[in-house]
Amino acid sequence: GENVEQHPSTLSVQEGDSAVIKCTYSDSASNYFPWYKQELGKGPQLIIDIRSNVGEKKDQRIAVTLNKTAKHFSLHITETQPEDSAVYFCAASLYGGATNKLIFGTGTLLAVQP
Amino acid sequence: KAGVTQTPRYLIKTRGQQVTLSCSPISGHRSVSWYQQTPGQGLQFLFEYFSETQRNKGNFPGRFSGRQFSNSRSEMNVSTLELGDSALYLCASSFDGTGNGYTFGSGTRLTVV
Repeated sequence: GENVEQHPSTLSVQEGDSAVIKCTYSDSASNYFPWYKQELGKGPQLIIDIRSNVGEKKDQRIAVTLNKTAKHFSLHITETQPEDSAVYFCAASLYGGATNKLIFGTGTLLAVQP
Repeated sequence: KAGVTQTPRYLIKTRGQQVTLSCSPISGHRSVSWYQQTPGQGLQFLFEYFSETQRNKGNFPGRFSGRQFSNSRSEMNVSTLELGDSALYLCASSFDGTGNGYTFGSGTRLTVV
């Protein structure tokens, strides 16, 4: 069935360093890959997304890369700040298809040490 | 612009009872999806409603049901509660439910004792 694997499960970095989270998806028909940030007591918040016709997308300190052949996509956060500490989820979906649901990865707890 | 509103925020129920959770989507959004979040299973898709019709359903037992009203507000119901139903239930809305642009609410934390 559809599956998204996410690594690592926990990541600790020093403030100012970069953080990379990687995901692999199983359904080759997936064409939409969002990333969500979830802080304690809140719902997931969309931080960046990418469609399968694009290889990379950047938004200030955040970037996402997609390798459709390998079915990998990654989140890159540069110049990390303490407020980046949260749980990050990747997801995959078939945009525009009949099955409009997100398949989520298992999450990465990012801790940015001041 | 108001976000997705879920009520109540916290709920404690006893095994065997039933519960109804409510979700008010962003104004103008017609698609509402529900997800269950647990430490063991992560975020799992329950179902999606669009224009009062259930379009998709996840792999959950029939005890989990939902509906959507003409104003796009949605409710989900869980009958005959089990301890394993304890979870954070999240609602997400989007304009057309094409799979992107979902905005999540803060969730309802359900504890079954």
